[in-house]
Amino acid sequence: EPEVTQTPSHQVTQMGQEVILRCVPISNHLYFYWYRQILGQKVEFLVSFYNNEISEKSEIFDDQFSVERPDGSNFTLKIRSTKLEDSAMYFCASDSIELAGSYEQYFGPGTRLTVT
Amino acid sequence: RKEVEQDPGPFNVPEGATVAFNCTYSNSASQSFFWYRQDCRKEPKLLMSVYSSGNEDGRFTAQLNRASQYISLLIRDSKLSDSATYLCVVIQTSNTGKLIFGQGTTLQVKP
Repeated sequence: EPEVTQTPSHQVTQMGQEVILRCVPISNHLYFYWYRQILGQKVEFLVSFYNNEISEKSEIFDDQFSVERPDGSNFTLKIRSTKLEDSAMYFCASDSIELAGSYEQYFGPGTRLTVT
Repeated sequence: RKEVEQDPGPFNVPEGATVAFNCTYSNSASQSFFWYRQDCRKEPKLLMSVYSSGNEDGRFTAQLNRASQYISLLIRDSKLSDSATYLCVVIQTSNTGKLIFGQGTTLQVKP
């Protein structure tokens, strides 16, 4: 069964450092997402990406965040200058949306980001 | 008011029990509804979509009441493996597929 993969599984970084979280979505999917989940809290939407551009972003997704699909297979989330409050599990998801309203997003296993 | 609201639980039930979870959503224009399952420190996994007519998948039954902005999930004959957090998820009016999650309801099935 095709699956979304993410690397690394755990990233520890110092405050102020840049991090890049990587995702390989399911190959025939066209819609890509990043979500985050702070420990003990709900899953929160960060950004959606379609046709090589951001289609929607949340208030969390400020100028410190960026996304890229550099090579047709990888989908990356960059945090330019990490803050303590960026510590969370970051999930990548993808979807084909073959039918109108038929959203079935498949999530990767997540990257646990710890900012010290 | 929270966009998607759930009772966090935990619900502690014996094996074989029937358990029901409820969820309310604030935006009456919401379009699509789902139940996801999340095991501890794992990714959310789609359990089932929820349709206006109600739908069933084995031991799981989902209902949607648009007038009351209310979604439910019924699990019959609970198994130990059903222990997890159940997430109520909504797509509002955007066409970007943005999922809005509730905080989840934790279920613990005991032998």
